[in-house]
Amino acid sequence: KAGVTQTPRYLIKTRGQQVTLSCSPISGHRSVSWYQQTPGQGLQFLFEYFSETQRNKGNFPGRFSGRQFSNSRSEMNVSTLELGDSALYLCASSLDVVAAFNEQFFGPGTRLTVL
Amino acid sequence: AQKVTQAQTEISVVEKEDVTLDCVYETRDTTYYLFWYKQPPSGELVFLIRRNSFDEQNEISGRYSWNFQKSTSSFNFTITASQVVDSAVYFCALRSDNDMRFGAGTRLTVKP
Repeated sequence: KAGVTQTPRYLIKTRGQQVTLSCSPISGHRSVSWYQQTPGQGLQFLFEYFSETQRNKGNFPGRFSGRQFSNSRSEMNVSTLELGDSALYLCASSLDVVAAFNEQFFGPGTRLTVL
Repeated sequence: AQKVTQAQTEISVVEKEDVTLDCVYETRDTTYYLFWYKQPPSGELVFLIRRNSFDEQNEISGRYSWNFQKSTSSFNFTITASQVVDSAVYFCALRSDNDMRFGAGTRLTVKP
């Protein structure tokens, strides 16, 4: 059974650009969550999607957005990139939302560098 | 505001020692979820456990055990007979409604 895949694995952008990251969950999983990890802020929750609906959103500016498709694949978009957006972006999939799932599975992450 | 505190920044033990990682949380919500995650040197986050606020039953999974005490707002994690492969950064997290907070992590080094 294939795990969670994230593409691309590495990305270099410049300030002001926008970026789209992709996450394919484990087959059959309907919930996808996104997290940002930086040396300064640590791990932070970005969004949770379930059945194409955003269920929860962390405390991030509107430049951070996401969506989930009917096949449960999810994308997150960051517009007008800032240096502080440089981070490891992690995606996790689970069968259901947090109240119901028993386990989350994480992808390897996308390392975004903003120059 | 919610808060998760992992007071131990780094812990170093020798293989086969038992080690407990502390996690103290703050929340005003009555329904919430607590998590532990492991991040080995490879960087990929690994989910270890989720516990909801209504279930104070302790859990044991192999060499891992978790002690949830609402009275002290703590959710501690113990590794029994530690192994070198347990070396990683361990994160505790708290989630309720729209908010999720992570602790700063505890770096555990297990020496052979």
